[in-house]
Amino acid sequence: GAGVSQSPRYKVAKRGQDVALRCDPISGHVSLFWYQQALGQGPEFLTYFQNEAQLDKSGLPSDRFFAERPEGSVSTLKIQRTQQEDSAVYLCASSGRTNTEAFFGQGTRLTVV
Amino acid sequence: GESVGLHLPTLSVQEGDNSIINCAYSNSASDYFIWYKQESGKGPQFIIDIRSNMDKRQGQRVTVLLNKTVKHLSLQIAATQPGDSAVYFCAENRESGYSTLTFGKGTMLLVSP
Repeated sequence: GAGVSQSPRYKVAKRGQDVALRCDPISGHVSLFWYQQALGQGPEFLTYFQNEAQLDKSGLPSDRFFAERPEGSVSTLKIQRTQQEDSAVYLCASSGRTNTEAFFGQGTRLTVV
Repeated sequence: GESVGLHLPTLSVQEGDNSIINCAYSNSASDYFIWYKQESGKGPQFIIDIRSNMDKRQGQRVTVLLNKTVKHLSLQIAATQPGDSAVYFCAENRESGYSTLTFGKGTMLLVSP
């Protein structure tokens, strides 16, 4: 596609509900990143994939967060038993090589009520 | 002038003025720096980058300055336009090997017609 696509754009979840957020990176991009952006803050790193391999998940805040990229393209970020503190914008980015320009999607705004 | 809002420092300028947005980075090992622009409801958009072997780089209407001695970056926008109104983030990275972007806090730029 022309850019990084994320869905849904908005998600409202009841506390305790599981959610799944999807990222379609730019075709052919090897690297894929997930970031969490709280209101008024800069994005914070969650996890990184190189192709299908999850090379770094050090930013995932708890074991309720899980990400996968089984075929090295589309990625899903899953949050189990959502809590209010999970409310944020979740951004996906992809790049052709590590450490070069990363292109961001528009994000998914998650609100946990 | 520049003021500190509830969440983000804010820079208010008049259309046609030159704007300077500053950023202090944290990691002495960082050797690659990027400025991103984020409009409301959108993901961060790449503006310009600079590698640590340079101290200045110019783009279209934008210039990035890097001072490694004091770990300081600045973004200069010439002839600021209302469409430049957004939140601006600096991000640092290491170009060699694997690492991920670390974003600064962000500065909101408000341009009045």
